[in-house]
Amino acid sequence: AQSVTQPDIHITVSEGASLELRCNYSYGATPYLFWYVQSPGQGLQLLLKYFSGDTLVQGIKGFEAEFKRSQSSFNLRKPSVHWSDAAEYFCAVGGGAGNQFYFGTGTSLTVIP
Amino acid sequence: GAVVSQHPSRVICKSGTSVKIECRSLDFQATTMFWYRQFPKKSLMLMATSNEGSKATYEQGVEKDKFLINHASLTLSTLTVTSAHPEDSSFYICSARDSGGGRDTQYFGPGTRLTVL
Repeated sequence: AQSVTQPDIHITVSEGASLELRCNYSYGATPYLFWYVQSPGQGLQLLLKYFSGDTLVQGIKGFEAEFKRSQSSFNLRKPSVHWSDAAEYFCAVGGGAGNQFYFGTGTSLTVIP
Repeated sequence: GAVVSQHPSRVICKSGTSVKIECRSLDFQATTMFWYRQFPKKSLMLMATSNEGSKATYEQGVEKDKFLINHASLTLSTLTVTSAHPEDSSFYICSARDSGGGRDTQYFGPGTRLTVL
């Protein structure tokens, strides 16, 4: 069965500190992997996606993610967090070839001064 | 990048009324669109897959007579919440599949906040 697990419901980091959000997936085929960010009351903004090729993917706003097939993981990282990064982050799998997305339950990020 | 719009962005209605939400792909044709529902502090859950020219496919547990989906054209899908009740209050998000020109990507709309009084 397809599923996405985001183990951390809520993370608090200091501004300027590094960030890593965890994502593990279960998918029956070659996964298409995504990270989305959602600000309160807003829609989803795509941060980055992995389809194939280089397993380290660069995204917008200084984010990157690394696909590790052996660990079924697609963790999101940022070397230095900004206060504006505070939001809800969703990992998703699927979405390719017209398939639906399966979303994780999200990780809420709080950034403290 | 491709743009998907939703209208309205926010709607408040009385219990028992019906509400229509539109999802439009603005610069591409979408043979497939998806409707998701997001509860507060929760992830997005797929409600149904909307295919142009055919009946929508609903996920288990989603009442097709309550959540009517019509994919009338290659750029428009509508979700009608019939006889809405307070428990239908939620954030509804659509996505549209762009499979033209060798691409195959989905784009999300900005969402519609439904509040049923």
